[in-house]
Amino acid sequence: EAGVAQSPRYKIIEKRQSVAFWCNPISGHATLYWYQQILGQGPKLLIQFQNNGVVDDSQLPKDRFSAERLKGVDSTLKIQPAKLEDSAVYLCASSLGLRDTDTQYFGPGTRLTVL
Amino acid sequence: QKEVEQDPGPLSVPEGAIVSLNCTYSNSAFQYFMWYRQYSRKGPELLMYTYSSGNKEDGRFTAQVDKSSKYISLFIRDSQPSDSATYLCAMQRGSTLGRLYFGRGTQLTVWP
Repeated sequence: EAGVAQSPRYKIIEKRQSVAFWCNPISGHATLYWYQQILGQGPKLLIQFQNNGVVDDSQLPKDRFSAERLKGVDSTLKIQPAKLEDSAVYLCASSLGLRDTDTQYFGPGTRLTVL
Repeated sequence: QKEVEQDPGPLSVPEGAIVSLNCTYSNSAFQYFMWYRQYSRKGPELLMYTYSSGNKEDGRFTAQVDKSSKYISLFIRDSQPSDSATYLCAMQRGSTLGRLYFGRGTQLTVWP
């Protein structure tokens, strides 16, 4: 079974530029999560989708971050404009979505450096 | 105060040692407790999953939850160099949504 795919793996941009990350979840998984992991910290949830609807975006900085999940499969997370403090690894995870406690499977992450 | 506290280490032990990793939490609504392992440049992978208080064993790994003390532990017996990774505790309320609340992770090195 293929895992969660993410691209790009690494991205370096300057502050005030925009950037986008892509995630392809495990086939058949209805729930998709984006987490932000700052160096030395645990992942923090940014947004949760159930199919193509947003379930939880309470910790998403909506003035600069946006995310979408068209057709309930792939998802894109965008930052515009980026700030220095956005430097982090952005992890995508997916789960079956039958229950809130279904196991979340993580992708390898996209490491963003903002200069 | 963060909802989940975890000593970041680093922790360095010889091969074959017993490793003890711990987390404390403040929110009594947490019902589900997990341990994830994260290798360098990789995403977290689920190691152990426990509901409520008690012990759970899986091979060399044992997870313990003490809800009365708001304290969870992961024990690794006969540690191997391949166990070298960052170990993240995570928790879920279970009643609403699927958000995981993570500790900051403990970096473990097992030397031969």
